[in-house]
Amino acid sequence: LAKTTQPISMDSYEGQEVNITCSHNNIATNDYITWYQQFPSQGPRFIIQGYKTKVTNEVASLFIPADRKSSTLSLPRVSLSDTAVYYCLVGDSWAGNNRKLIWGLGTSLAVNP
Amino acid sequence: SQTIHQWPATLVQPVGSPLSLECTVEGTSNPNLYWYRQAAGRGLQLLFYSVGIGQISSEVPQNLSASRPQDRQFILSSKKLLLSDSGFYLCAWSPAGKSYNEQFFGPGTRLTVL
Repeated sequence: LAKTTQPISMDSYEGQEVNITCSHNNIATNDYITWYQQFPSQGPRFIIQGYKTKVTNEVASLFIPADRKSSTLSLPRVSLSDTAVYYCLVGDSWAGNNRKLIWGLGTSLAVNP
Repeated sequence: SQTIHQWPATLVQPVGSPLSLECTVEGTSNPNLYWYRQAAGRGLQLLFYSVGIGQISSEVPQNLSASRPQDRQFILSSKKLLLSDSGFYLCAWSPAGKSYNEQFFGPGTRLTVL
C-alpha cells in the first residue's frame, strides 16, 4: 500500500523560499503527484501537478526525483497570504483496477512578517 | 466556467437525527464526484466517489451513504447521526477522463453533532 509522509508544520518569513517535501512509497507508476493548498474553513485548492523531473507554474515549482519516492513543493518568496496547510496527493499502486488516492496529512506552513 | 455548490454552509444536528448534504456542479458534464470529511486539525478522508449516475464507491464503511440521482448532483446522507460524524464535509469534482488527482473542491459544510 502507498503511504505518504509530510512534516506536520513549518515556519518561514516573508520573502523566503519554502520547500515542503512529501515522501511517498509504492505509488502508482503511471500516476501524477499533486499538491493542494488549504486555508481555514475552505476546500483545498489545486496548486501543481507533475509526473517526474520539474514542473513550474505561476505560483510554485514541483521537483520529483527519478525514483518518484518523494516530491518537493517549492514556494518562491512567500508572503503572509501563503500561510496555509499544504497536502500532497498520490495514487496507490496496489489498487489494481480500482484506483485509490492517498492524501498526505498536510503540512501547516506559517509565514511570519 | 465550472462551479461547485454545497449547502448548507453550517449545520448543527442532534445525535440520532438524519442528514442530507447536497452538492451540485455546473459547467461540465459527467464529472467524477467525491465526498470527503475533515475532522478538526486532521487531513482529508475520502468517503465516497462516483464516476457516473448511480455509480457509487464507498471508501470507508460507516453510517453514511451517498447517491447520485443526476449527472451533476451528489448527495451525502445518514439515517442516524453519531457524535463522531462531526466535521467539515467537502464535495469535489474532477473532469471525466482525466487524472483523478486534479480535483476542484466546494466551499464545504461544517457539521456539528450534539
